[in-house]
Amino acid sequence: DTAVSQTPKYLVTQMGNDKSIKCEQNLGHDTMYWYKQDSKKFLKIMFSYNNKELIINETVPNRFSPKSPDKAHLNLHINSLELGDSAVYFCASSQKGLAGGGFADTQYFGPGTRLTVL
Amino acid sequence: GQNIDQPTEMTATEGAIVQINCTYQTSGFNGLFWYQQHAGEAPTFLSYNVLDGLEEKGRFSSFLSRSKGYSYLLLKELQMKDSASYLCAALDSNYQLIWGAGTKLIIKP
Repeated sequence: DTAVSQTPKYLVTQMGNDKSIKCEQNLGHDTMYWYKQDSKKFLKIMFSYNNKELIINETVPNRFSPKSPDKAHLNLHINSLELGDSAVYFCASSQKGLAGGGFADTQYFGPGTRLTVL
Repeated sequence: GQNIDQPTEMTATEGAIVQINCTYQTSGFNGLFWYQQHAGEAPTFLSYNVLDGLEEKGRFSSFLSRSKGYSYLLLKELQMKDSASYLCAALDSNYQLIWGAGTKLIIKP
């Protein structure tokens, strides 16, 4: 029944490792997103993606890359993890998103993945 | 640049009314969202306004003035479970959501 799911919920790893976070939505939405929420609780968009367009926040290091095997999935791969990557990462989806839709841009969030880099 | 401003923290008493303000400056405008986020949880949708005026939904109401670039979220009959962060987000002309930093609302008995 979960609309937007993420795995894992917690991820503890060493600096320099490569890790992936998976996201799946069963809402039939067109657009998916990745957000980073740091210790100050500020929600920062990292990527917006639908089957036509990928928008990357220019401040996101290229160590971060989204991978979408299909419309229902948007995974986040992180290379060479750094201490500053420690945060909660949220996946979200919306019906329209980049295609435009106003209310249809309501975003539904996954439960979050708490990443700790040691 | 694009910007959302909202107070960092507010305190209110159980049973009272509180108004959380949000001002925005965006390139174009396609609506404004309010989300609620409890500690350790994901943000959840509360309201969407695209026309001027007040939208009421139970104990929560949201107001928008496009000419002033201003919105507020009004919470009535406050309950302890309303303690959370409230995030304001505006949709710009490219349908990108611009997020505020959130207002942490503390409810006291």
